[in-house]
Amino acid sequence: SQTIHQWPATLVQPVGSPLSLECTVEGTSNPNLYWYRQAAGRGLQLLFYSVGIGQISSEVPQNLSASRPQDRQFILSSKKLLLSDSGFYLCAWNQKNYGYTFGSGTRLTVV
Amino acid sequence: GDSVTQMEGPVTLSEEAFLTINCTYTATGYPSLFWYVQYPGEGLQLLLKATKADDKGSNKGFEATYRKETTSFHLEKGSVQVSDSAVYFCALADSWGKLQFGAGTQVVVTP
Repeated sequence: SQTIHQWPATLVQPVGSPLSLECTVEGTSNPNLYWYRQAAGRGLQLLFYSVGIGQISSEVPQNLSASRPQDRQFILSSKKLLLSDSGFYLCAWNQKNYGYTFGSGTRLTVV
Repeated sequence: GDSVTQMEGPVTLSEEAFLTINCTYTATGYPSLFWYVQYPGEGLQLLLKATKADDKGSNKGFEATYRKETTSFHLEKGSVQVSDSAVYFCALADSWGKLQFGAGTQVVVTP
């Protein structure tokens, strides 16, 4: 069966520090991968999506970047965090004929 | 571009009350429509979906009908329980297969 792992579950980071959130998918190959952010009191915003290794599309300009070094690995990064980067980050995957599956999320607090 | 609009919350109900959460969409073509639920501290779970006009999605007592003429996908449940307290997101899959979410509606069910 397909599973998605996302870590860490919670993270507190100082302003200006780097960020790396990792998401891995098991039990499937060549999935579409997504990073969403949910800011406090707001809905879900699509940040990045990837249809294959090394292929990243950015939905909104921001302080973050994403990479896909392996087929089932999707990484969200920042060189210097801002206070406004705080939020709940969700990784998701899907394939044709499969619905979306979301990870359990990472709650990031930038202090 | 494609977008989803859903009623703002929070919606506070007593147990066994009837729940309706309105959702309307704007899209080119014929998107698939979804309702996701987020329980406190957790990621998103698919609640139900509909892939074409007049389809009715249902799960756990919740229902939603894809209404093309009114571009709506309202979520309903006849008798809510305390365990239904969560944030509910309406979403559509756009022509590229990416999910676009509404802002979410928090539902609080009191005993």
